[in-house]
Amino acid sequence: DTAVSQTPKYLVTQMGNDKSIKCEQNLGHDTMYWYKQDSKKFLKIMFSYNNKELIINETVPNRFSPKSPDKAHLNLHINSLELGDSAVYFCASSQGDSALGGYTFGSGTRLTVV
Amino acid sequence: LAKTTQPISMDSYEGQEVNITCSHNNIATNDYITWYQQFPSQGPRFIIQGYKTKVTNEVASLFIPADRKSSTLSLPRVSLSDTAVYYCLVGDTDKLIFGTGTRLQVFP
Repeated sequence: DTAVSQTPKYLVTQMGNDKSIKCEQNLGHDTMYWYKQDSKKFLKIMFSYNNKELIINETVPNRFSPKSPDKAHLNLHINSLELGDSAVYFCASSQGDSALGGYTFGSGTRLTVV
Repeated sequence: LAKTTQPISMDSYEGQEVNITCSHNNIATNDYITWYQQFPSQGPRFIIQGYKTKVTNEVASLFIPADRKSSTLSLPRVSLSDTAVYYCLVGDTDKLIFGTGTRLQVFP
């Protein structure tokens, strides 16, 4: 069973559309994250979320919004997609809210905005 | 959050030991040092984590000097499948920042 699963794996869409990426973890972890990896391969954290609080990276446009229906899911909604949103988006999870034990990442969603 | 500096790339041959060093001069008392491996088209994978001295698991060893201002990831007897990007991260919170990583290329 995949520990952290994301869907879809690939997403091609037009500018201006609204799309969502789903993430589920079956590890029983408390905290989930979204990372963006751009064409230069830099991994940047976008959000971290547990049942206590949502922490947003201040550089993330408000067109991006995480939504968590329950502890095992953290979906990413993106409104009014722009060309610059093209990237690979990774979901991750961890036990607790510290770095101890490391993160478990999903396999990524490659978003292409045309 | 402590900034890390690693070599951009390294080359090696199969069967050799590879040591990747990461500098983190501003590491804080509560910070852990964590290394991840990323293959193309995959998410980063946790390799090893340590706080001080030496940590060893089935995949790698992590050497941390007493001042903790640097750390070295050691991969014994690398194979072609170890070709990947290796990230060094330092932090104690849930907002780990990934640096540029070290691209390791293993040749036959």
